[in-house]
Amino acid sequence: GAGVSQSPRYKVTKRGQDVALRCDPISGHVSLYWYRQALGQGPEFLTYFNYEAQQDKSGLPNDRFSAERPEGSISTLTIQRTEQRDSAMYRCASSVSGTGGPDTQYFGPGTRLTVL
Amino acid sequence: AQSVTQLGSHVSVSEGALVLLRCNYSSSVPPYLFWYVQYPNQGLQLLLKYTTGATLVKGINGFEAEFKKSETSFHLTKPSAHMSDAAEYFCAVDAGGTSYGKLTFGQGTILTVHP
Repeated sequence: GAGVSQSPRYKVTKRGQDVALRCDPISGHVSLYWYRQALGQGPEFLTYFNYEAQQDKSGLPNDRFSAERPEGSISTLTIQRTEQRDSAMYRCASSVSGTGGPDTQYFGPGTRLTVL
Repeated sequence: AQSVTQLGSHVSVSEGALVLLRCNYSSSVPPYLFWYVQYPNQGLQLLLKYTTGATLVKGINGFEAEFKKSETSFHLTKPSAHMSDAAEYFCAVDAGGTSYGKLTFGQGTILTVHP
């Protein structure tokens, strides 16, 4: 079946603009995660959802970052008033269940964001 | 809070040689441990994971890792490297409990395999 997809794959924007990054998880997966990966580093947790409920947003760097998953499927990560330091690879992952046991997280290909 | 340290940002081996990628973690509770591999322009793919039970875990593509609680380590090995193993490898920990689902990753190790 189809894996996790993300769009756009590449986004170049100017400082101060808002961007919206989309994640389409594997069908039926309950949990959805967002990570940010700087060049030369491992992914860093941002937030995650079970169904449409945002369970943890402790990794969001500041209030310019927000995420939603209104129907429990597709999720959007929005960055307002982008800054150059926001440039990174943004990765989405999904897993079968949000309860019990360490589920395998399946990752999408990522969105490479460049803020000029 | 948990953390992961991968010793060596770059490892180079000859084809057919042993692969050893090191990972040490810190966690206040018994952790769940993962190794992911990332090929260029692709998402991270799970190689193997440790949850409970047997401390030697076998994964895909001939890789295995051993959980050693006393050493807080989860090193990844493969007896004989193949050219197709060239990629970036990430070790990750999930401390569970209230942190369930929040993977903490190491900085990654780039594996180069030369003929």
